[in-house]
Order: sequence, then C-alpha cells, then structure tokens
Amino acid sequence: AQSVAQPEDQVNVAEGNPLTVKCTYSVSGNPYLFWYVQYPNRGLQFLLKYITGDNLVKGSYGFEAEFNKSQTSFHLKKPSALVSDSALYFCAVRVFYGNNRLAFGKGNQVVVIP
Amino acid sequence: DVKVTQSSRYLVKRTGEKVFLECVQDMDHENMFWYRQDPGLGLRLIYFSYDVKMKEKGDIPEGYSVSREKKERFSLILESASTNQTSMYLCASSLAPHTKTGLNQPQHFGDGTRLSIL
Repeated sequence: AQSVAQPEDQVNVAEGNPLTVKCTYSVSGNPYLFWYVQYPNRGLQFLLKYITGDNLVKGSYGFEAEFNKSQTSFHLKKPSALVSDSALYFCAVRVFYGNNRLAFGKGNQVVVIP
Repeated sequence: DVKVTQSSRYLVKRTGEKVFLECVQDMDHENMFWYRQDPGLGLRLIYFSYDVKMKEKGDIPEGYSVSREKKERFSLILESASTNQTSMYLCASSLAPHTKTGLNQPQHFGDGTRLSIL
C-alpha cells in the first residue's frame, strides 16, 4: 500500500535559518507526492507536488522540495524561515491511479523562533 | 480560486444524536472527500465520492455515512454520535483524474468543522 512517513513530530528552527521538513515514502510504481500546510484553525493548503521531471520542485511561499528516488524521500525545504511559516505540514502520496485519493502522513509541527 | 465551504466551524452535539456535516464546493469538481483529523494520527479518509450518488469507503467508515445528491454538495452523517467521534472534520474536493488536466491535481480543503460529542 502507498504510504508516507514523517519521522519528526516537531521541528524548531530560528527565524532566518534554513527549514527542512522530512518525508519518506513507500509506493509500488511511480510516486506522486504532495506537500500541504495547515495554519491554526484552517484547512490544508496545497504547497507543491512532484509528478515527474526535475527532482527539485518549487512551490508556494518560497518552499521547495527535493525528490530523491534512491532514498525514497521528498523533503520540504525553505532557505530562510519566517515566523509566519509556523504551522503544521503534511506530506501525502497518491494512493491509486484511478482517482486522486491521497494518503497523508501524521504531520510535522514547525515552530519558527523569532 | 476554489472555494470549499463547510457549513459549521464549531459544533456541539450529544451522544446518540444524528449529526449532519455539510460541504459545498464551487468549482464543479467531480471528486469530494471527507477526512477526520486527530493529533498524532494525521488525516484519515472516511469516505469519498467520485460522482453524484457514487461513494466509496475510505479507511475509517464505521459509524459514518455520506450523501451526494448534487455535484457541489457532499454531506457526512453520523448516524448515532458517540464521544469517540469528537474530532476535526475536513472536506476536500478535486478534479477527476480521467482527464489530462484532472490527473494528479491537488485536493482543495475547507476550513474544517470542529465537532464535540458530549
């Protein structure tokens, strides 16, 4: 079954420092991967996706993600974190070709310290 | 922009009540989804629908049912609410994957309904 794992519960980073949120995946076939962000009391917002092509994917709000097939990883990155990046981040993988159903990881709480 | 609207942000109900959570999307999306979100468990899919009157069970359908009579509206029903159904409920929609533009499109989420069962 397709699944993703987010190994860290919380990531703390100082404002201005690089931010990395980790995600590893397990799929049969080609992976189709997504990152979402959830701000307090809001739904999830789409950040970026990897379908095929370049391993470095750029998304919204200055975020990017690096797809690494050999390490089965899809880590989310931002060169310089802002306090406003403090939120819950979810990695997701498409479950089945026939629909756009996703399987989500447990989420990572990111805290950016001023 | 896609707009997914959930009818209530906060809801308090009693054990045994029948509870309806409503979701409406304005982008003519074929697919609609209901999730529940619990700390440490992430999002878990309850049901999804890929067309009017069509539905499929997700990972945790027990205790829930759904209704999709119109394309834009997807309702989640708790037949007899229990305290273990206290949670955040999120609705989402997306294009169907059978078109070139629909495949691998992201899901768009509402702001959620925080449901408390007393």
